[in-house]
Amino acid sequence: DTEVTQTPKHLVMGMTNKKSLKCEQHMGHRAMYWYKQKAKKPPELMFVYSYEKLSINESVPSRFSPECPNSSLLNLHLHALQPEDSALYLCASSQDGRVNQPQHFGDGTRLSIL
Amino acid sequence: EDKVVQSPLSLVVHEGDTVTLNCSYEVTNFRSLLWYKQEKKAPTFLFMLTSSGIEKKSGRLSSILDKKELFSILNITATQTGDSAVYLCAVEVYFTNAGKSTFGDGTTLTVKP
Repeated sequence: DTEVTQTPKHLVMGMTNKKSLKCEQHMGHRAMYWYKQKAKKPPELMFVYSYEKLSINESVPSRFSPECPNSSLLNLHLHALQPEDSALYLCASSQDGRVNQPQHFGDGTRLSIL
Repeated sequence: EDKVVQSPLSLVVHEGDTVTLNCSYEVTNFRSLLWYKQEKKAPTFLFMLTSSGIEKKSGRLSSILDKKELFSILNITATQTGDSAVYLCAVEVYFTNAGKSTFGDGTTLTVKP
């Protein structure tokens, strides 16, 4: 088990559904990240929040909408996803995005789009 | 565009062997290079390298960075079956208020008994 907790662990949804992925950490980290990882591929950065503000958006389609309600929580709201969005979604956190610190990853949410 | 290339992509060895994994990069505004180990789920942190020529060591694992030639190596000595995993190299670059990571494709290491 990691110190970054992601829920749910698995999610199956239809293309018209709306769902949210949740990520929580209680390490006092002020940078949080969303990655998408397809099978046998490396993680690809989607979003970075630093001090609860969106710092990086890697040209992610608007059907993915991130939210950082406080310093411990990070959500990813999903709407009208496509089958190619099926992947493992990883959340990570680091102490402070402005300085060199390693990222701590959650176990991910495995998302399947029908 | 930032690029991180790992080699080999896969490697099969026997217990007790020593392996060297490679990571080369071409990025703008280098901040750090990190190695992670990924088994079934979350990547776990191994090393962070920021300065050339300083070896980082943890048990049987060690790593070093060459900022002039733009590469890093990860060495594992006396390999064990528990070392079987995907080893990911990530390079962080400076970005507004945050670091931005690009990962290589990973090296899949299989250690046979």
